[in-house]
Amino acid sequence: GAVVSQHPSRVICKSGTSVKIECRSLDFQATTMFWYRQFPKQSLMLMATSNEGSKATYEQGVEKDKFLINHASLTLSTLTVTSAHPEDSSFYICSARTAGTTEAFFGQGTRLTVV
Amino acid sequence: DQQVKQNSPSLSVQEGRISILNCDYTNSMFDYFLWYKKYPAEGPTFLISISSIKDKNEDGRFTVFLNKSAKHLSLHIVPSQPGDSAVYFCAASKGGTSYGKLTFGQGTILTVHP
Repeated sequence: GAVVSQHPSRVICKSGTSVKIECRSLDFQATTMFWYRQFPKQSLMLMATSNEGSKATYEQGVEKDKFLINHASLTLSTLTVTSAHPEDSSFYICSARTAGTTEAFFGQGTRLTVV
Repeated sequence: DQQVKQNSPSLSVQEGRISILNCDYTNSMFDYFLWYKKYPAEGPTFLISISSIKDKNEDGRFTVFLNKSAKHLSLHIVPSQPGDSAVYFCAASKGGTSYGKLTFGQGTILTVHP
């Protein structure tokens, strides 16, 4: 099956700093990547959708200047949380899909803790 | 506005019996539905999906039923095994370029007792 690798699996950063999370499709071309966030005991909420080579489309209520998404290649998308604050602490998960298919495959997730 | 709802936060089942997890949706534009299994601090694992043109899809111990008129779907696991214990999420997407753009339910914690 298709493999999506997300790195790091967990990160702790200081308030005010930025942190980058990588999402790689290892054995397929990810024309579209999705970024989700899950707060404790809640559902996964879509943050943004990115197509390779295009600007990301953000869901309502998600600050695009705070959550910078880059999808410069068909195998890599990055999410940068800028000027992180404790309320940004969450579980961030990416998924990736190839054009013309119905399935998106998920990465392992990244636990971000801002102290 | 919760467009996908899983109204049962938890379900407890004896090993070997059937587990039935339910999901309701409100957006009639959804035409593809999926079930995922998830453990804490891990990404969701795909289990089974169904297109809106079907009312049933089977894969081994997993069967998903879709009732479009009621905007309801269910996941049946038969027989249930202790290794099935996890959080189960129902998800939905619209078609075309929106495949993969998922709206998730709140999840149901399934516990299968030996």
